[in-house]
Amino acid sequence: GAVVSQHPSWVICKSGTSVKIECRSLDFQATTMFWYRQFPKQSLMLMATSNEGSKATYEQGVEKDKFLINHASLTLSTLTVTSAHPEDSSFYICSVGSGGRGQFFGPGTRLTVL
Amino acid sequence: AQRVTQPEKLLSVFKGAPVELKCNYSYSGSPELFWYVQYSRQRLQLLLRHISRESIKGFTADLNKGETSFHLKKPFAQEEDSAMYYCALVGGSSNTGKLIFGQGTTLQVKP
Repeated sequence: GAVVSQHPSWVICKSGTSVKIECRSLDFQATTMFWYRQFPKQSLMLMATSNEGSKATYEQGVEKDKFLINHASLTLSTLTVTSAHPEDSSFYICSVGSGGRGQFFGPGTRLTVL
Repeated sequence: AQRVTQPEKLLSVFKGAPVELKCNYSYSGSPELFWYVQYSRQRLQLLLRHISRESIKGFTADLNKGETSFHLKKPFAQEEDSAMYYCALVGGSSNTGKLIFGQGTTLQVKP
């Protein structure tokens, strides 16, 4: 399957600042990537579908101005949490879509907003 | 509505016992279903795809369209099987490949 990396693996920031998380597909050209949020001991919640070269598709209830997604190349998608607040603290996970083979997941990024 | 339900939050069995992790889905049309596993402090990994009908680490899952189920089974549980298991369905209104996840079941295999 596809190898997916995320950077950083964890980040702590002050309330009101913005944080950028990178998701890279290392060995697969990904036209579609997905961004999820996972709370402790809970399932993954899809935030948005990231499409290479076009705008992301956000799930209902996800603020697109707060969670900016850019997918400028076939190997990189970024998620920027703007003006982060403590309630944005979570585990953010990206995945690469590979058609019928399902999705392959990154290791996740732990965001803590103080 | 497209939905995946895993009714058990926690399943605890002894080593060597059979395991069945339940998954029910709601989908109109032919579903595409997966099982993912997340070991402690590791990323989500693909375990099974219903299309390939494969057996990984001794686990199997059969799609039952009549019961709208895709239960995960293993005849003899091992301690290393302890993990969080997610059932997922390819959903969405267009061919995006987006996954709808169940709530997950924690499998605890006791020695």
